[in-house]
Amino acid sequence: AQSVTQLGSHVSVSEGALVLLRCNYSSSVPPYLFWYVQYPNQGLQLLLKYTSAATLVKGINGFEAEFKKSETSFHLTKPSAHMSDAAEYFCAVISTGTASKLTFGTGTRLQVTL
Amino acid sequence: EAGVTQFPSHSVIEKGQTVTLRCDPISGHDNLYWYRRVMGKEIKFLLHFVKESKQDESGMPNNRFLAERTGGTYSTLKVQPAELEDSGVYFCASSQTAMNTEAFFGQGTRLTVV
Repeated sequence: AQSVTQLGSHVSVSEGALVLLRCNYSSSVPPYLFWYVQYPNQGLQLLLKYTSAATLVKGINGFEAEFKKSETSFHLTKPSAHMSDAAEYFCAVISTGTASKLTFGTGTRLQVTL
Repeated sequence: EAGVTQFPSHSVIEKGQTVTLRCDPISGHDNLYWYRRVMGKEIKFLLHFVKESKQDESGMPNNRFLAERTGGTYSTLKVQPAELEDSGVYFCASSQTAMNTEAFFGQGTRLTVV
């Protein structure tokens, strides 16, 4: 079985501050890990993904995430928040061998303040 | 290139009525997925089509839900009769490969059952 835990349903940062959204996973086999973002009134958009290559993954809009097997984590970071980053972010996992089925976390809503 | 399109964007129906949601995947994508997010909870997998065949329907909540993909193009998800707990956002996604590493999501259909 696989699962994802996102710590913090709401995160607020100041514009220009570091963004850190936490994700821990559980998987009995090597996972593929994803971060999706949902902007208001839009669908889910893939930010980045880890598929067993480099552990530090760079995505769109300046976001990156690091796969840490020892900590079973895949936290999302961005050095400097912009107002346009305000959205809901979802971490998701696929366990290799169980093709097609994404398991999502509960989501973290990011608020960026002036 | 058009993305994944879902109709309608919003639907409000009374308990006991029938609603049909539609998803048009990206052209050429054989794999089509339905997910659902009940308010405040995680996005959950419902089912997966490969062309017109149901590959995995383990996430379908009960027999009030019927998904079809005739001809392997667009898909419909019918809820009959709708119950209050069916309210939520229904997402459709499509991908070329079955490993879901490049799944593209639609904007979702927000269903409210009153």
